[in-house]
Amino acid sequence: KQEVTQIPAALSVPEGENLVLNCSFTDSAIYNLQWFRQDPGKGLTSLLLIQSSQREQTSGRLNASLDKSSGRSTLYIAASQPGDSATYLCAVKGDYGGSQGNLIFGKGTKLSVKP
Amino acid sequence: DAGVTQSPTHLIKTRGQQVTLRCSPKSGHDTVSWYQQALGQGPQFIFQYYEEEERQRGNFPDRFSGHQFPNYSSELNVNALLLGDSALYLCASSPGDRSHEQYFGPGTRLTVT
Repeated sequence: KQEVTQIPAALSVPEGENLVLNCSFTDSAIYNLQWFRQDPGKGLTSLLLIQSSQREQTSGRLNASLDKSSGRSTLYIAASQPGDSATYLCAVKGDYGGSQGNLIFGKGTKLSVKP
Repeated sequence: DAGVTQSPTHLIKTRGQQVTLRCSPKSGHDTVSWYQQALGQGPQFIFQYYEEEERQRGNFPDRFSGHQFPNYSSELNVNALLLGDSALYLCASSPGDRSHEQYFGPGTRLTVT
């Protein structure tokens, strides 16, 4: 059974710092991995999608890496801003051949960026 | 281009009642998935609809049922509501190709009293 773990559960940093959020998964048979942002009481905003054949994806100040064999992904946020404060969720899609696999989520990392 | 939309935004129900939540997928998307997110937890997969059929189902009881219409919109029905059903219900859509990312709606906050 696939399990996704995110460390740390919460993180508080001063504005301007570079930071890394970690995600690990127990079954390396994944189709892709997706990072999301969630503001309090709101839906999920997709940040980055990494296919299983890719090593990393970049969007602006965000960079996500994937090491499928070791079951790990990291989300790097450069020059953090107070507006980055949110919960960041990692989700993997299983590779079950044929039909689409559903997303399996971690519990998230709650990020607070202090001005 | 409208993204994924869900209605209603908030809902308060009493134990034992039934509820229907609605979702319209992003334009061009034909696959709809439903997730339940309890407070402080990651979303949990309920089921997925494609071509008006339930294709996959997570570990949820039969009280949870759904439907997909020819225009790809979808409904989630929950019967005999329990206090533990209180959660944020999220709908996600994607194109048929599973390599594509899923786009989520704003969710429906269900409170069962």
